[in-house]
Amino acid sequence: GAVVSQHPSRVICKSGTSVKIECRSLDFQATTMFWYRQFPKQSLMLMATSNEGSKATYEQGVEKDKFLINHASLTLSTLTVTSAHPEDSSFYICSATRENTEAFFGQGTRLTVV
Amino acid sequence: GENVEQHPSTLSVQEGDSAVIKCTYSDSASNYFPWYKQELGKRPQLIIDIRSNVGEKKDQRIAVTLNKTAKHFSLHITETQPEDSAVYFCATYNAGNMLTFGGGTRLMVKP
Repeated sequence: GAVVSQHPSRVICKSGTSVKIECRSLDFQATTMFWYRQFPKQSLMLMATSNEGSKATYEQGVEKDKFLINHASLTLSTLTVTSAHPEDSSFYICSATRENTEAFFGQGTRLTVV
Repeated sequence: GENVEQHPSTLSVQEGDSAVIKCTYSDSASNYFPWYKQELGKRPQLIIDIRSNVGEKKDQRIAVTLNKTAKHFSLHITETQPEDSAVYFCATYNAGNMLTFGGGTRLMVKP
């Protein structure tokens, strides 16, 4: 099956710093990727839709200046958490869809802000 | 937008029993309904899916039923095993390739 790779899998950063998370589709081109956040024991909440070559579409309540998304190529989308705070600690996961079929998920990134 | 409700939020069954998880959705344009299994700290994995042109699909111990008129679909796991313990998410897919997830069900299978 198709593979989506996400890095890093874990990151610990200091409050006030920025963290970049990468999501790559390894064997297919993804014009659209999705970024989710998942708090402990909760569902996956869509943060934004990343569109190759254009601006991301953010869900209501998600700060676009805090969660910067760049979809520079058909195989790479990045999420940068800027000026991270402890409340940003969460599990971030990306997904990509190939030709209107199932979504393939990255491994997820567990972010801890101390 | 789409609203997906999933019940129950937790489900505990004895090994060998059946488990049923139900989801309702609001957007009648949704046309694809996947179910994902997520183990702790890992990515969701697709376990079964159904498209809007069929009412039921089965894969060994797992089955999904869809009632488009009532806008609900269900996951059925028979002969449950301890390794079935995980969190299960239903989801719906609209024309924009956007997944909307249900709240999740934590399934615990007791040996």
